[in-house]
Amino acid sequence: EDQVTQSPEALRLQEGESSSLNCSYTVSGLRGLFWYRQDPGKGPEFLFTLYSAGEEKEKERLKATLTKKESFLHITAPKPEDSATYLCAVQAPRNTDKLIFGTGTRLQVFP
Amino acid sequence: EPEVTQTPSHQVTQMGQEVILRCVPISNHLYFYWYRQILGQKVEFLVSFYNNEISEKSEIFDDQFSVERPDGSNFTLKIRSTKLEDSAMYFCASSTPWSGGSPPNYGYTFGSGTRLTVV
Repeated sequence: EDQVTQSPEALRLQEGESSSLNCSYTVSGLRGLFWYRQDPGKGPEFLFTLYSAGEEKEKERLKATLTKKESFLHITAPKPEDSATYLCAVQAPRNTDKLIFGTGTRLQVFP
Repeated sequence: EPEVTQTPSHQVTQMGQEVILRCVPISNHLYFYWYRQILGQKVEFLVSFYNNEISEKSEIFDDQFSVERPDGSNFTLKIRSTKLEDSAMYFCASSTPWSGGSPPNYGYTFGSGTRLTVV
């Protein structure tokens, strides 16, 4: 069964304290791995899509990387406005477009 | 930036009543989806819709649920007889098809959601 596991569940950082969020996945043939940001009471906001092992993408203070078993979301020098829940989702083949989400990592960045 | 618009933002309904959740996807997108998120739980896939028909649905999407694209812009989710356990955030999403070649940095665009409370 396709599964996505994110860790840690929650992370508290001081402003400027860099860290990484983990997303490990078990899918029979990955078509794409997605990172989303979700603010309380809002819908997921698209950040990145990664397709193959070794791929990296960056956006401001965020950098996403992908291996054959997991993905990392690195946050460099975070600011309080980076506080949100970060969701990882995978899309497997077999003629499906659905996304399978993890439970997310709730990030709090304190000034 | 193009947005997926959902209405209403919050709906309270009595158990057994019918509700219709509405969505306006991004205009040039061809795939449409409904997901839901029960408080404190994962975002879960409900249904995907392409070319005016359901392309995939989950076990959650039973006979009480239906989707429709009544015109060129709206996409709706109907729950015929709501249950307490239907209380959740419902998210509409849309995407473009991947046309091959170098994969685009595409992602599904989600709306802000409708919070459905069944009492």
